[in-house]
Order: sequence, then structure tokens, then C-alpha cells
Amino acid sequence: GQNIDQPTEMTATEGAIVQINCTYQTSGFNGLFWYQQHAGEAPTFLSYNVLDGLEEKGRFSSFLSRSKGYSYLLLKELQMKDSASYLCAVRDAASNTGKLIFGQGTTLQVKP
Amino acid sequence: GAGVSQSPSNKVTEKGKDVELRCDPISGHTALYWYRQSLGQGLEFLIYFQGNSAPDKSGLPSDRFSAERTGGSVSTLTIQRTQQEDSAVYLCASSAGLAETQYFGPGTRLLVL
Repeated sequence: GQNIDQPTEMTATEGAIVQINCTYQTSGFNGLFWYQQHAGEAPTFLSYNVLDGLEEKGRFSSFLSRSKGYSYLLLKELQMKDSASYLCAVRDAASNTGKLIFGQGTTLQVKP
Repeated sequence: GAGVSQSPSNKVTEKGKDVELRCDPISGHTALYWYRQSLGQGLEFLIYFQGNSAPDKSGLPSDRFSAERTGGSVSTLTIQRTQQEDSAVYLCASSAGLAETQYFGPGTRLLVL
């Protein structure tokens, strides 16, 4: 089956660092994506990992371990505007469509 | 346009009515996806179009749902005889190919009374 797990909610303080974990069990794997979604808005692309290791992009970094079925999104120097839902998604390799399989999302609240 | 656009942004309908949702993908993107986001749920794949290939309809929840893509660009998602459980945000995404990043539109918020 296809299963992607991430925590439902997290709270962090402005200026701090937060790590959002994602574990997956899918029948195929062709890359892992992180999206940010503010309430009432479209998901926006943050990062993509297909090989093991860390991808850094400004304040955001994403890590992947394919052998462990594990990824995390690291947010540094948190700002109030980072309060949003963070969606972990695996690209399905079995169907040859590139469709994404999403977790339920992690709602992050950044407090002053 | 610069991004994926969808219309209408909001739709309220009565149970049993048909609705049509529209998606304009990013110009030049050959792949188009429809997803559904229900309250408290993750995004759920509905249907995929790629160029002139037959669409992948494996995610459509029932035969009341259908979609088409005309001229390899604009797509419409039709829900016939709407039910209250169809209430959700319907998101469209496009990409330059099936191995490329998907970019999402703002969604259509559908409420079935």
C-alpha cells in the first residue's frame, strides 16, 4: 500500500529552527517533494530530493534517506510568515504518470 | 499566464446538481493533474493528462466524475449529481513533463448543500 506519515501539528518560536519529519512506505519511489501551503492558498513548491542527502535552499533544507523511507524539512531562522502547512509528497513510480502521493500535512505555528 | 489558473474560485451548489471546474495550465506544460483536498485530509490524486496520451483516470472516486482536456491545454472537471461528500477544494497542477515539478493553481472550493 501507499502510506506517508508526518506529524499533524508543530509549534516553534520565531528565530528558532524546526524539523518536520516525513516517513513513507510506497510501492515505488521516484522522488520526494515538500510543498508549503498557507491557509486558503495553493501549495507552493519548496524542495525536491531524489538522491540521498541534504538539499539546501536558503533558510530551507530537505534531507532524504531512501533506505529508511525518511525525509525531513528543516526551517531555520523562523519567521512569522512561515506559519503554514507543510506537505510531504512522494512521486509514484508504479503508474508512470508522475502523480504525487501526499501525506496529510503538518501545520506549523510560529509564535513570537 | 504566469501560473496555473482555476475557475471559479468558489462554487456553492445544491445536492444533485452538476458542476464544471476549469483549469488553465502553465503555457507549454504537457502534463496536467487534478487533485482533491478534503477537510483534514491530504491531497488525493484524481486524474492525469499527458499530451495526446489516454488519461489516467484511476483516482476518480466514482463514475459521476469525469474530466477532459481540449487541445492539450485547458481542462474541465465535471461532477454530475453532486453529493455533500464532494465538498472539497479541487486543485489543478501542471508540469513540463511527468518527471518535472508540479505547480498548483489556487483551487476551486466546492460546497455542496
